Amino acid sequence: AQSVTQLGSHVSVSEGALVLLRCNYSSSVPPYLFWYVQYPNQGLQLLLKYTTGATLVKGINGFEAEFKKSETSFHLTKPSAHMSDAAEYFCAVSTGKLIFGQGTTLQVKP
Amino acid sequence: ETGVTQTPRHLVMGMTNKKSLKCEQHLGHNAMYWYKQSAKKPLELMFVYSLEERVENNSVPSRFSPECPNSSHLFLHLHTLQPEDSALYLCASSLGLGRGYDNEQFFGPGTRLTVL
Repeated sequence: AQSVTQLGSHVSVSEGALVLLRCNYSSSVPPYLFWYVQYPNQGLQLLLKYTTGATLVKGINGFEAEFKKSETSFHLTKPSAHMSDAAEYFCAVSTGKLIFGQGTTLQVKP
Repeated sequence: ETGVTQTPRHLVMGMTNKKSLKCEQHLGHNAMYWYKQSAKKPLELMFVYSLEERVENNSVPSRFSPECPNSSHLFLHLHTLQPEDSALYLCASSLGLGRGYDNEQFFGPGTRLTVL
C-alpha cells in the first residue's frame, strides 16, 4: 500500500526566506511523486513531478524538490518566498493510483 | 476552452433541491475523477471513471450520483443534500489509470457548493 505524510499542516515564513515543505511517502514499488499548489477557491495546479531520472526536479514559480529514496522523502523548497506563494500545497504519490497528503498551508509574512 | 472546466462555479441549494455539477475536459484523457474538499479536511476522492466506466466509488452517499456519458464529460447529480455536504467539489482528469501512467491529474477550478 502507498501513503503520503506531509509534516506540518501550517508553515509560516517571512518574505525572502527559505521555504521548506516536508513530504514523506510509503510505497512498495518505485513511486511517482508530485507537488500540487492550490490558491484560494481554485483547483489544484501541478508544481512539479518526479517519475524517473534526475532526483532533483525543478518546477514552476522557482520551486524544486528532491527525491531521496533512502529517506523516502520528497521535500519541496524555494530559496526566497514571495507573498504570492501563500497557498495550500499538496504532496502526492502514485504507484498506479494517486494518493494525496493532507496538505500544508503556507503563510508568507511581509 | 482548454484544460478542465467546471460549471457552475458557485451553487447554493436547499436540502430538497436537485441540481447537477458539470465537468468537461479538453485534454483527450480517459480517466475522470470527482473530489470533495471540505474546510480543514483532506481531499476526499469520491468517484473514478475510466473509459466511461465507474472504477471506484469510495462509500459516497447515494444522494450523490455520478454520470459519465463519454470520456470528455462528467456529471455529479445532487439530491436531498445535507448542510454538511457544503464544500468545494473538484473534478480532475488524467491520461489513464494504472502503472503504465504516471497518473498526473489535471484539475478544474471547482464548484463551491452551499447547502442551506
